[in-house]
Parts: sequence; C-alpha cells; structure tokens
Amino acid sequence: SQQGEEDPQALSIQEGENATMNCSYKTSINNLQWYRQNSGRGLVHLILIRSNEREKHSGRLRVTLDTSKKSSSLLITASRAADTASYFCATDARDTDKLIFGTGTRLQVFP
Amino acid sequence: GAGVSQSPRYKVAKRGQDVALRCDPISGHVSLFWYQQALGQGPEFLTYFQNEAQLDKSGLPSDRFFAERPEGSVSTLKIQRTQQEDSAVYLCASTSSIRGANTEAFFGQGTRLTVV
Repeated sequence: SQQGEEDPQALSIQEGENATMNCSYKTSINNLQWYRQNSGRGLVHLILIRSNEREKHSGRLRVTLDTSKKSSSLLITASRAADTASYFCATDARDTDKLIFGTGTRLQVFP
Repeated sequence: GAGVSQSPRYKVAKRGQDVALRCDPISGHVSLFWYQQALGQGPEFLTYFQNEAQLDKSGLPSDRFFAERPEGSVSTLKIQRTQQEDSAVYLCASTSSIRGANTEAFFGQGTRLTVV
C-alpha cells in the first residue's frame, strides 16, 4: 500500500504560473522526498527535506513540511512547459528502511 | 556506471511464462529497491536489499515473485508463471546510504512488462 496521497491528482496551468502540489502521509517519518517522472521514464529526485526541517528551497522549487499535520507541499514557481510531468512524494518511515511513494500529481503546463 | 541500468526495457511475455528482469545499480551503492508501477499509479514497494541481504520483501505480491542480489551489486527480479495482472513497469533504484531510504534514490528507466 502507499504511504502518501498527493493532491490534486491533476493540475493544468499556463507557463509562468506557479504550481502547488500537496502530499499527506500516514506514519512518522525521518525524511520526505519529492520526485518527478516524465512520461515513460524513470523517476528523478528533486529535493529531500528532513523531519526537523520546515522549509527548503532549490532553484524554482520550494518544499514545506508540517510533521504535526503529516503533510508537505511542493511549489514550482514560474512554471515552464518542460515542467510537465508527474510529481510524487516519498517518505522514509521511521520504523523501516523503505521509501514509500504517494499516488502522484500529474502537472500539465501549457505554453 | 553513470546511472542505474535496467534490462530489458520492454518485455512481452505469454501468460504462464517465466521472466527475469535485471538491475545494475550505481557502482558502490549499498541499498537497492524494486518497485512495481501500474499505469497512472505511484511506484509500489516490492523489496529492498542492503548489499546482498534481502532485508524486506513484504511488498512482493505472491510467491511467484523472487528477487536476488547474490554479490551485492546486480539484482534480478524473477516472476514465475506470469499473469496478466503482472503487467506493469518494474523500477529499480539504488542509494548510497546503508539506511536505504535516508538519502536520494537513483532510478533506472524501468522494464515495461506486458503479459499477453
């Protein structure tokens, strides 16, 4: 079974707009990661945030983590058509060594 | 190697046939994961190796699924007597951490298995 659920399931925006995706998870974690998957390709790591961190930035990406609500958000600013992909959150549950993925958000950025 | 390599990229199997999927992780990576991804879904955990030891196989859907990593590098996922519900993309990932999921995971391109 999957640990996380992303919201929304699908998101369509215009180039230049910001895209926000949310992730909720079920159990205590050591860290939370976000990955991108282009159609028919493998997953690419975007960013990792540890359980004692609340916010992290990487280029146009901003991730927040609220462990009290067991939720995270990924913000992509000034989106580009090349950002079109599926985005997944993944958690490293405290009692296991497994990396468990959520259900994903499909982002479509129109030129 | 430069990244995680999986072979074959595509496999069509007749129902009842056995298949073997190969994963070459990044050299020196201790941890290796296998995932199954159905169309439109997120990757589902299958099994996890730390070096040659299979520490978690709780995600393997049935005893038809078997994975090994005998020398702590290359891993093979074997599916016996394939069924149509086994059709999916099988992803392999490796990490440098001895605590498998504590750091960035590097994924291969996956093997798309179609059972007909």
